[in-house]
Amino acid sequence: QSVLTQPPSVSAAPGQRVSIFCSGSASNIGRKYVSWYQQVRGTAPKLLIHDDYKRPSGIPDRFSGSKSGTSATLGITGLQTGDEADYYCAAWDDSLSGVVFGGGTKLNVL
Amino acid sequence: QVQLQQSGPGLVTPSQTLSLTCAISGDSVSGDSAAWAWIRQSPSRGLEWLGRTYFRSQWYNEYAGSLRSRMTINPDTSKNQFSLHLNSVTPEDSAVYYCARWVHEKGFLDVWGKGTTVTVSS
Repeated sequence: QSVLTQPPSVSAAPGQRVSIFCSGSASNIGRKYVSWYQQVRGTAPKLLIHDDYKRPSGIPDRFSGSKSGTSATLGITGLQTGDEADYYCAAWDDSLSGVVFGGGTKLNVL
Repeated sequence: QVQLQQSGPGLVTPSQTLSLTCAISGDSVSGDSAAWAWIRQSPSRGLEWLGRTYFRSQWYNEYAGSLRSRMTINPDTSKNQFSLHLNSVTPEDSAVYYCARWVHEKGFLDVWGKGTTVTVSS
């Protein structure tokens, strides 16, 4: 059971927009930055969003992040078949003194 | 461009020690803006933070609570790398193990190794 809660899967058609939610608590998302990672099957996770909403160089602006209270959201617009992957949220947890991850959300682009 | 190169065995015998190394290029293991972390991933536990090492006037090594008694993360400044040692392994320690760079002040993992699949089996 992951500390951060994500839906197991989301689906949308190419060109559409999807939101992936991540729920935490006061000891993690409530007081620490959230980051998001994309993992294509068989590869290492890749940083998509950090500091709640910032994109690293090279990440297209189709990807966005936001946070409110103890929840965070990853938004993806203009869906492409290449976006099919697992997406994970993460944050430092002050109570556990370590990074906590969501269980991952599988994005299906139908 | 920072890169992390992992090495180590893919098969470990139960009760023995799992040892992996992560060689750093493009940054320093003793740099003052990052920490060097180990994460593992398995179908049953998902992504799991194991711990990190970093230098801030002295070395700090921090471990996940559940594994603290069995785990050591060691920096090696002479080779610019860091290692993971997990002793008394069981099949439940089978997972893909990743090393990664933790950007300290902001809190995110910006560079990852490719991962090492470790199976604990006799």
